[in-house]
Amino acid sequence: GAGVSQSPSNKVTEKGKDVELRCDPISGHTALYWYRQSLGQGLEFLIYFQGNSAPDKSGLPSDRFSAERTGGSVSTLTIQRTQQEDSAVYLCASSLEFGGAETQYFGPGTRLLVL
Amino acid sequence: AQKVTQAQTEISVVEKEDVTLDCVYETRDTTYYLFWYKQPPSGELVFLIRRNSFDEQNEISGRYSWNFQKSTSSFNFTITASQVVDSAVYFCAPMDSNYQLIWGAGTKLIIKP
Repeated sequence: GAGVSQSPSNKVTEKGKDVELRCDPISGHTALYWYRQSLGQGLEFLIYFQGNSAPDKSGLPSDRFSAERTGGSVSTLTIQRTQQEDSAVYLCASSLEFGGAETQYFGPGTRLLVL
Repeated sequence: AQKVTQAQTEISVVEKEDVTLDCVYETRDTTYYLFWYKQPPSGELVFLIRRNSFDEQNEISGRYSWNFQKSTSSFNFTITASQVVDSAVYFCAPMDSNYQLIWGAGTKLIIKP
């Protein structure tokens, strides 16, 4: 079946603008994860959803970041008033469920550049 | 808390050579899981293997093999007869007791033709 998809694949925006990043998980996967990867670095965990619920939002870097998931499927990560330090690749992953050491499968990412 | 160390920042070998990527982790958990992912230049993370701490058998999958040593907290990855297509950044990622993957900076593997 189809893998995790993300859109847009690339986004260039001006400092101070809001951006929305979209993630469509693998069909049937109830858990969804957002990560951020800066150039040449490992992954920084942002948030996860089990169904539509996000039990732990402490990984979000600031209150300019928010995420939602509706219908237990598509998720949107929103960054308000973007800053240059927000430039990174934003990766989404999904797994059958959260917990139980389920394997996370990743999408291709959205490359965000804030000018 | 869990921690992972991939001491090799970058490795460069000539095609057809064997190469081993090291991974050392720290954990206080008695039961845990370990993962390897590959990130080719295209950027997409590709799942390679999942191993639980109960199973110390080495695993071979084609040209890939993994050596899990619980006593030394290591989970090393070997590619035999490397190919240019193996060029990528490889991440070893233990999973903590909150089911979060712990990511290091990875090892960049360059296979020269």
